[in-house]
Amino acid sequence: AQSVTQLGSHVSVSEGALVLLRCNYSSSVPPYLFWYVQYPNQGLQLLLKYTSAATLVKGINGFEAEFKKSETSFHLTKPSAHMSDAAEYFCAVSEGTSYDKVIFGPGTSLSVIP
Amino acid sequence: EPEVTQTPSHQVTQMGQEVILRCVPISNHLYFYWYRQILGQKVEFLVSFYNNEISEKSEIFDDQFSVERPDGSNFTLKIRSTKLEDSAMYFCASRPGQIAGDGYTFGSGTRLTVV
Repeated sequence: AQSVTQLGSHVSVSEGALVLLRCNYSSSVPPYLFWYVQYPNQGLQLLLKYTSAATLVKGINGFEAEFKKSETSFHLTKPSAHMSDAAEYFCAVSEGTSYDKVIFGPGTSLSVIP
Repeated sequence: EPEVTQTPSHQVTQMGQEVILRCVPISNHLYFYWYRQILGQKVEFLVSFYNNEISEKSEIFDDQFSVERPDGSNFTLKIRSTKLEDSAMYFCASRPGQIAGDGYTFGSGTRLTVV
């Protein structure tokens, strides 16, 4: 069965500092991996996805994530945090089958301190 | 950019009442999903729907839940007899389906409050 863990339910960074949100997955097959962002009182927006092409994936809003099979990780980074990055971030995994059920991690709440 | 539309954005209902949550997926998408998020908790899979039938459902999706696509555009989630613990944000999602791992487009959600 697939699962996702996200280390740190809450992360605080200063504006302009590096953002690092951690995600580790468990999957019996080569996974498809996603990061979604949820702003307060809004839905889920796809930030980026890994689908077995390049291991370094670039997404929207300056975020990127690197797939490391040996570490079963897919950490999300952004070089310089902006106040507008404050949100809940969810890592997710799917097997990429026809029905493609996505399993979400517990989420990490990112705060950006001015 | 195409959107998944959910209505209503917020619904309050009394325990034991039936509710129908509505979704309009993106028109050329083939796979449809419902997820829920209890306040402060993770997003949980409820059900996937393809070719007018349920393709997979979770343990949460028991007999009180049902889904249908009555007219080829709307995709609904019905909860027959609501319980307090059904209070949550319910998200509809759709995906094209032609490419594995192509990711979902989510709606903005319906916040269901059972009192």
